[in-house]
Amino acid sequence: LAKTTQPISMDSYEGQEVNITCSHNNIATNDYITWYQQFPSQGPRFIIQGYKTKVTNEVASLFIPADRKSSTLSLPRVSLSDTAVYYCLVGDLDTSGTYKYIFGTGTRLKVLA
Amino acid sequence: EAEVAQSPRYKITEKSQAVAFWCDPISGHATLYWYRQILGQGPELLVQFQDESVVDDSQLPKDRFSAERLKGVDSTLKIQPAELGDSAMYLCASNHPGRTKNTEAFFGQGTRLTVV
Repeated sequence: LAKTTQPISMDSYEGQEVNITCSHNNIATNDYITWYQQFPSQGPRFIIQGYKTKVTNEVASLFIPADRKSSTLSLPRVSLSDTAVYYCLVGDLDTSGTYKYIFGTGTRLKVLA
Repeated sequence: EAEVAQSPRYKITEKSQAVAFWCDPISGHATLYWYRQILGQGPELLVQFQDESVVDDSQLPKDRFSAERLKGVDSTLKIQPAELGDSAMYLCASNHPGRTKNTEAFFGQGTRLTVV
């Protein structure tokens, strides 16, 4: 499984766009890139997943360059409630169809008023 | 919306005692995961089930931890004896395998264990 590297922490102000970059130099051909959000005392929550180029949902956008060695999670116009830890994961399905979720240390985002 | 259920939410136990956590995954999810999360760190995978079978327990401290999923539905994680270093959040997650583009795991609220 590819190892990921993220900034330990980031600060932002309400209303700003936040971009969190994740490095995954050893990503394999079949690996997907997935981002999770975790609030204190809660389990992680799926945000977005992608394989290449750009993916957008109602919460965030995920930008993946052609070489797929990094990815950037973009949160538009953050609010105080977006203060959380954000995890980048890469991995693929094994032959039984199960996916292994290996978390790194994540990025602690603090949104300031 | 379907959720992964875990109980208890909080547990305080004395060291050397036995403790157990329960997880009920989302109905129909064949894959179940147990994670341990120490404060300030990311979740660490302890064991992964596919139905009732263990797929991966390489990070499970088998001298004191055990996990079972006898009927392939709910699961129990046990620690005996508990040690001070076991204080952590224990998270359960589930996923529906075979959806080749679905990498979304659903996590429960977790059980916060404090060993005193």
